[in-house]
Amino acid sequence: ELKVEQNPLFLSMQEGKNYTIYCNYSTTSDRLYWYRQDPGKSLESLFVLLSNGAVKQEGRLMASLDTKARLSTLHITAAVHDLSATYFCAVDPRPPLNQFYFGTGTSLTVIP
Amino acid sequence: NAGVTQTPKFQVLKTGQSMTLQCAQDMNHEYMSWYRQDPGMGLRLIHYSVGAGITDQGEVPNGYNVSRSTTEDFPLRLLSAAPSQTSVYFCASSWRNNQPQHFGDGTRLSIL
Repeated sequence: ELKVEQNPLFLSMQEGKNYTIYCNYSTTSDRLYWYRQDPGKSLESLFVLLSNGAVKQEGRLMASLDTKARLSTLHITAAVHDLSATYFCAVDPRPPLNQFYFGTGTSLTVIP
Repeated sequence: NAGVTQTPKFQVLKTGQSMTLQCAQDMNHEYMSWYRQDPGMGLRLIHYSVGAGITDQGEVPNGYNVSRSTTEDFPLRLLSAAPSQTSVYFCASSWRNNQPQHFGDGTRLSIL
């Protein structure tokens, strides 16, 4: 059974601090996606990582992929309140079927 | 820009009733998927389609049917609603299999 695990599940951090969210998956996959979801809203795409060693950055968020370790990280730099949301990673282990498997999500709260 | 449109946004059903959740996209995307989101479990794939006339089962297909007669539409049918199907349902689409998915706003479904 394919598993996608995120940790931590809940994260409360102060503004201005740095932190990393981890996404581990149990099967071979060189494609990983990060999404953001605000409470009661839909999901918004953040990053698409398509190869080992891929690194993408947007503002205070940076995502990376290590396919050999089956690990992706989402690093938050100098957090601000607007980053409060739930973050999901998803793997696509059998392209081109587009069968996405999502992690359970990390609920991030940034405290002023 | 309509994107991915889901209807209805909210629905309450009685056990045993059937209904269809509608999903339409206007981006000419080949790939479409249905997910359910339950607390603490992330998103789980119900059914997916890689093009008109082609559908397949995801992780949790039991109790649901889909069809894809056109590129634009991908309805999800609940055959005989059960309380365990109470959830938030998201439809998503993407142009290619290595592109991020665009999500609809979701349908909040309660089965009494």
